[in-house]
Amino acid sequence: EAGVTQFPSHSVIEKGQTVTLRCDPISGHDNLYWYRRVMGKEIKFLLHFVKESKQDESGMPNNRFLAERTGGTYSTLKVQPAELEDSGVYFCASSQIDGRINEKLFFGSGTQLSVL
Amino acid sequence: AQSVTQLDSQVPVFEEAPVELRCNYSSSVSVYLFWYVQYPNQGLQLLLKYLSGSTLVKGINGFEAEFNKSQTSFHLRKPSVHISDTAEYFCAVTRGGGSQGNLIFGKGTKLSVKP
Repeated sequence: EAGVTQFPSHSVIEKGQTVTLRCDPISGHDNLYWYRRVMGKEIKFLLHFVKESKQDESGMPNNRFLAERTGGTYSTLKVQPAELEDSGVYFCASSQIDGRINEKLFFGSGTQLSVL
Repeated sequence: AQSVTQLDSQVPVFEEAPVELRCNYSSSVSVYLFWYVQYPNQGLQLLLKYLSGSTLVKGINGFEAEFNKSQTSFHLRKPSVHISDTAEYFCAVTRGGGSQGNLIFGKGTKLSVKP
């Protein structure tokens, strides 16, 4: 079974440019989460999709970030325009909807974003 | 609101020695508690979690953690570490009964196991 995959693994862009990160969850997983870790700081929750709907986007930093999950399969996270403070590792995770107690998250290996 | 404090950013230890990685949390509501591990160039992997019931939780790879409500702690332990345990470990918390993905993480502890 394929795991959670993220593309690209690394991205280097200049301030003001646009970058789109992609996450392919495990097939059949309705829950999809995005997180970010800025260097030296803790991993922070960004948002949660259930299928194609945004269940919780309380962690999104500002309106330069746009997450989509059309069709309830893969998800994209677009940063436009990118700023220096957006640099960090962006993680994606997915899980099945199998009751809150049994939920188990599977994480991708992340996208390292560097904004210069 | 919840918060998590991992008291040690780095823990060096010799192979076969015991290790304890400390985690304290604060919350005004009931919580679920987690330990995740990240090996180099990989995603996070769940080690163990506490939802309810027995306060001693056993996880994968010989790790265990004990939930101590009075001390608001959830320290991770292993009696004898291996070189392969070298990784970064994250303690995390979420509101009890809620999504297990809306996590608040600590800053991580890098465990370095030396021969």
